[in-house]
Amino acid sequence: DTAVSQTPKYLVTQMGNDKSIKCEQNLGHDTMYWYKQDSKKFLKIMFSYNNKELIINETVPNRFSPKSPDKAHLNLHINSLELGDSAVYFCASSQVGIRREQETQYFGPGTRLLVL
Amino acid sequence: AQKITQTQPGMFVQEKEAVTLDCTYDTSDQSYGLFWYKQPSSGEMIFLIYQGSYDEQNATEGRYSLNFQKARKSANLVISASQLGDSAMYFCAMREGRDDKIIFGKGTRLHILP
Repeated sequence: DTAVSQTPKYLVTQMGNDKSIKCEQNLGHDTMYWYKQDSKKFLKIMFSYNNKELIINETVPNRFSPKSPDKAHLNLHINSLELGDSAVYFCASSQVGIRREQETQYFGPGTRLLVL
Repeated sequence: AQKITQTQPGMFVQEKEAVTLDCTYDTSDQSYGLFWYKQPSSGEMIFLIYQGSYDEQNATEGRYSLNFQKARKSANLVISASQLGDSAMYFCAMREGRDDKIIFGKGTRLHILP
């Protein structure tokens, strides 16, 4: 009965490879997000989708491409992986409310990506 | 300029003592929300508490309370009767009413000593 789930939990891969991380939420939320947490624990938003529509696209290399097949899923595909892509990637979701600032985001367990 | 400032990179506190984790924020919006998240060593991000800019009362959730001082733009997290399991990174975050994203602070690493 996990609310926000991500797979895989760990991902170790070689530089230059293409990889995907999957995210699913069973909370019935309308909005999903991808965050990157670097080695200094700084958490920064990458993308957000609302009902399969891209809302936020921060300054992220275009090697990163999110895909939302439906509002319960938001996958992250990364092409030509680089050493600097090593980080923890978090998926999150929130429910659109009357007041946007009240929308609490609930996070998945994170995917630890290591690029060798 | 940083929108969320957490000035304590690390703290050591004796078990059972109360802990205050500092957070100041910067916004010109009238409508905003403030959040605290806990990240234990296992890595997950756990939502703890929320405070809205229009809320007159300070938010409380069990042992967690938020000391919201709007004029000073501070939203400190208070943990009462700390436990060993409270050892973790704590992140303060803000969402402005006109924006879709949450901005996180750099976090405070809390160590509870037995």
